[in-house]
Amino acid sequence: AQSVSQHNHHVILSEAASLELGCNYSYGGTVNLFWYVQYPGQHLQLLLKYFSGDPLVKGIKGFEAEFIKSKFSFNLRKPSVQWSDTAEYFCAGSDRGSTLGRLYFGRGTQLTVWP
Amino acid sequence: GAVVSQHPSRVICKSGTSVKIECRSLDFQATTMFWYRQFPKQSLMLMATSNEGSKATYEQGVEKDKFLINHASLTLSTLTVTSAHPEDSSFYICSARERTHQWNTEAFFGQGTRLTVV
Repeated sequence: AQSVSQHNHHVILSEAASLELGCNYSYGGTVNLFWYVQYPGQHLQLLLKYFSGDPLVKGIKGFEAEFIKSKFSFNLRKPSVQWSDTAEYFCAGSDRGSTLGRLYFGRGTQLTVWP
Repeated sequence: GAVVSQHPSRVICKSGTSVKIECRSLDFQATTMFWYRQFPKQSLMLMATSNEGSKATYEQGVEKDKFLINHASLTLSTLTVTSAHPEDSSFYICSARERTHQWNTEAFFGQGTRLTVV
């Protein structure tokens, strides 16, 4: 069965620290992968997505993620976090072979950045 | 990106009553919409996939008669929580995709509906 797992439940960093949030997926076929961010009181926003091609994907707000097929991973990175990056981050995946395009989410990682 | 609007954003209802939540794609046609439920401090759990003009596909463990989904048009899907109970209190989120049968399209999310059953 398809699944996405995030191992970091709560990450606390100081401003300017580097960030890496882990995401692993379990899919039988070809997969599309996404990272979403949810700021307090707001709806989910897409940070970046991977469909195919270059496994290093650059998204908005300085975030990037690397798709490593051999490790079934799609970790999110940012070289220098800001206080405004405090939010919940969700990794999600969908089975490209499915015409329904259902997204399955990891449990989320709460990032807290101290100024 | 495309806009998905959910209404209402918050609703409080009495136990035993039914509540309808609307999800609209404002600037695109959504052949498929998805309904999620999010518990506090937890992830989004996919409840069902709503296809325009056909029956919804429910995930395992989700009661079809409890959570009625209607996707009457290419821009509107509704979720009705029937005979609501306090344990149905949650944050419900919809998302929509355009051109479902293409693999390289993303889903856009509504702002969510906070349901409280008292």
